[in-house]
Amino acid sequence: SQQGEEDPQALSIQEGENATMNCSYKTSINNLQWYRQNSGRGLVHLILIRSNEREKHSGRLRVTLDTSKKSSSLLITASRAADTASYFCATLPNLFFGTGTRLTVIP
Amino acid sequence: NAGVTQTPKFQVLKTGQSMTLQCAQDMNHNSMYWYRQDPGMGLRLIYYSASEGTTDKGEVPNGYNVSRLNKREFSLRLESAAPSQTSVYFCASSVTALNEKLFFGSGTQLSVL
Repeated sequence: SQQGEEDPQALSIQEGENATMNCSYKTSINNLQWYRQNSGRGLVHLILIRSNEREKHSGRLRVTLDTSKKSSSLLITASRAADTASYFCATLPNLFFGTGTRLTVIP
Repeated sequence: NAGVTQTPKFQVLKTGQSMTLQCAQDMNHNSMYWYRQDPGMGLRLIYYSASEGTTDKGEVPNGYNVSRLNKREFSLRLESAAPSQTSVYFCASSVTALNEKLFFGSGTQLSVL
């Protein structure tokens, strides 16, 4: 498979803690995106980072990209119960999605 | 705005039956996509249409056909359904192909018995 891989597969934290999930990919990319999926719903775009960027912030989200290691990380700060969802990375232009990290935030 | 609309939401088929999954977007996007999602496998691209009048195979096209009916609509057809096609199917669209964020529909849960 040419898909990326998220690590860990599942993560459980207390509300207020930070959550970090990682994504590794195999091919050259133009950009990398992170999506969120609530149970039984479609995916929702969170943030996009281009291949010439190393770090990007959006609200409580921080994304880093290391193209030399073909990896990215998503940090969610001060997590909330509503952040409970699965998180996927996606690489473009090849449109490959990772296998996802299932995040559970315990109130 | 409705965004990306998929129909039906649920479907049960018998092996060998055919069906078409419908997808429409009202955002005037040029590009549309069909993915399938299986447990532990993430999303895999079946077909995509970079622009009206064009379609291309993705990672797992076997057993499927697509039609870009017009700029708004992109349908996915299973000619002879197999149990291996039991999955959740998502349609998505983007402004342009391959470098833009995707907008997803809510999915079609398909079971093939």
